[in-house]
Amino acid sequence: DTGVSQNPRHKITKRGQNVTFRCDPISEHNRLYWYRQTLGQGPEFLTYFQNEAQLEKSRLLSDRFSAERPKGSFSTLEIQRTEQGDSAMYLCASLTSGGINEQFFGPGTRLTVL
Amino acid sequence: QKEVEQDPGPLSVPEGAIVSLNCTYSNSAFQYFMWYRQYSRKGPELLMYTYSSGNKEDGRFTAQVDKSSKYISLFIRDSQPSDSATYLCAGEGSNYKLTFGKGTLLTVNP
Repeated sequence: DTGVSQNPRHKITKRGQNVTFRCDPISEHNRLYWYRQTLGQGPEFLTYFQNEAQLEKSRLLSDRFSAERPKGSFSTLEIQRTEQGDSAMYLCASLTSGGINEQFFGPGTRLTVL
Repeated sequence: QKEVEQDPGPLSVPEGAIVSLNCTYSNSAFQYFMWYRQYSRKGPELLMYTYSSGNKEDGRFTAQVDKSSKYISLFIRDSQPSDSATYLCAGEGSNYKLTFGKGTLLTVNP
C-alpha cells in the first residue's frame, strides 16, 4: 500500500494521559499536514511541515500539542494531559510540491478521551 | 463568519437524481477550490479541484466556481447509492493549506 498510513487507528485514553499518533506519508511527498475533525464538522488545519521544518501552526494547537517530523519522513503528533475536548479524528495528509495540488489523506486516528 | 460555509444537510435523494451541493466562501485569497468525498470513518479523498471561475467536468461530476459571488458548487448526475457519503468543499490558501466547510451528508436511495 503506497498511500498515507496512520497509527493507531483508534485510541481510547483517560483524561490527563499523554497520547502519540504517527503518520507515514507517501514517500516522495515533502509536505505533511495535520488536521482535526470533530463530529459533524469538516477537518480543521492544525500544522504543517515541509521536509523536517514545521512552518505553520494553527491557533487550535495549544501548548499541550506538539508535532515533529524528524528527517522529513514520518511525523508524530503528541497530546499531553489530554482533555475530553481533544476527542476527535486526527487526520494526516501529504502533498508533493510543484505537482497537482492534491493532499492525500490517511484514514485518521480516532481519539476518545474518557 | 467561517471562511467556508456549507449546508450540512442531510440530503436524501433517489437513485438517478441530479444532486447539487453548494458552498460559499469569504477568503478572497483562496486560489484553488476542492471537493472531497469522505465515507464513514475514512479519510477524505479528492474528487475534483478547480482554479478559475467556470465549470470543470469529470464523468458524472461537475464542479463550478463563481469567484465574483464567492460560490462553489458540485453537481452529481445520475446519482448512485455508492455516491452516499459526506461531501466536503475546501478552499486552498497559502502553503496549500485547506479550509473546509462542515460537509454535506448525502444519501442516495436505491
